[in-house]
Amino acid sequence: GAVVSQHPSRVICKSGTSVKIECRSLDFQATTMFWYRQFPKQSLMLMATSNEGSKATYEQGVEKDKFLINHASLTLSTLTVTSAHPEDSSFYICSARDQGAVETQYFGPGTRLLVL
Amino acid sequence: EDQVTQSPEALRLQEGESSSLNCSYTVSGLRGLFWYRQDPGKGPEFLFTLYSAGEEKEKERLKATLTKKESFLHITAPKPEDSATYLCAVSNAGNNRKLIWGLGTSLAVNP
Repeated sequence: GAVVSQHPSRVICKSGTSVKIECRSLDFQATTMFWYRQFPKQSLMLMATSNEGSKATYEQGVEKDKFLINHASLTLSTLTVTSAHPEDSSFYICSARDQGAVETQYFGPGTRLLVL
Repeated sequence: EDQVTQSPEALRLQEGESSSLNCSYTVSGLRGLFWYRQDPGKGPEFLFTLYSAGEEKEKERLKATLTKKESFLHITAPKPEDSATYLCAVSNAGNNRKLIWGLGTSLAVNP
């Protein structure tokens, strides 16, 4: 149980294009989903918290117009990197918190983004 | 300020050589302490949630314990497949219950 999927697992795009990453909770309902970014050999950096049916809460320093988050249902959240640039290349990971479990976050497998 | 510190930063063990990883924390109102395992290029894999001092949980060769100041992840007779980065995080009473992360312990188990 508590499986989270992400799609795509890897994407290469040209500078200036937009990329959408999907995060799905497969066997539970998630009222809250989180989006993280991870640089090589560093810990996870929280980008934003997404609550179903409401606007996402972004961490300080994260541009909300660049990283668009939509949490339209209890099982799906999307992150769109708009007008991507090489510095946006990174490993993006989502997590979902089971509304039935008090605190635990379950993570997706991650999406490797490379912007050329 | 809420903080999580993991030690050691890196650990190399021989197969079968038991050891412990440490996670020290300071947090206002602990709601939970979490252990995850992360393999290179993958998302963290959930291992344990501990809620109160004195609590212990086990899974195969891993055992997690919790006190009011720290948590230990004990690895008994590790195998090469236990090689990974082990991450510790805490959730506090406020702050939208976000996770506060340690930097992880990179474990290598040699055959």
